[in-house]
Amino acid sequence: GAVVSQHPSRVICKSGTSVKIECRSLDFQATTMFWYRQFPKQSLMLMATSNEGSKATYEQGVEKDKFLINHASLTLSTLTVTSAHPEDSSFYICSARDRGRDPTDTQYFGPGTRLTVL
Amino acid sequence: AQSVSQHNHHVILSEAASLELGCNYSYGGTVNLFWYVQYPGQHLQLLLKYFSGDPLVKGIKGFEAEFIKSKFSFNLRKPSVQWSDTAEYFCAVRPGNAGNMLTFGGGTRLMVKP
Repeated sequence: GAVVSQHPSRVICKSGTSVKIECRSLDFQATTMFWYRQFPKQSLMLMATSNEGSKATYEQGVEKDKFLINHASLTLSTLTVTSAHPEDSSFYICSARDRGRDPTDTQYFGPGTRLTVL
Repeated sequence: AQSVSQHNHHVILSEAASLELGCNYSYGGTVNLFWYVQYPGQHLQLLLKYFSGDPLVKGIKGFEAEFIKSKFSFNLRKPSVQWSDTAEYFCAVRPGNAGNMLTFGGGTRLMVKP
């Protein structure tokens, strides 16, 4: 149980275009999802916390107009990288928590999406 | 702000060797502690977690970790590693008053030679 999927797994786009990444909880309802960014050979950095039905909470230094997050349902959160530039190239990972099943609020991670902006 | 340090960035061991990966955090209050593993080409998976009670936590695949509050540490151990343990290991800390916000350490890349 507690499976989180991401789509696409890999995307290459031209500079200036927008890219949408989906994060789905497959077998549970996730009231909260998290978006992380992982640079090569570095750790995960939390970008934002996405709550179903409300605005996302962004970490300091993360541009909310550039990284649009929508959590319209209990099983889906999307991250849209707007007007992508090469410096946005990274590995984006989402996670979700299954509060209904796991009172310890453990986060379960998706497989990640590798974004390359040319 | 809290931080999490993993001192070993790269570890190379032979099969059957014992493993200990260090993790220290900087937060004085109540914390929840996690170790995640990322096998090559795969996503992060939870190895074990500490919330309360016995500070020696046993996880999957023979891993265990010990929470030493006085040392702000949560080191990961395994008595005998296998080639299949080759992966990157991340320690993560969640302060008790931080909602569900995890702070990750920099990761330790473990290579086990057959």
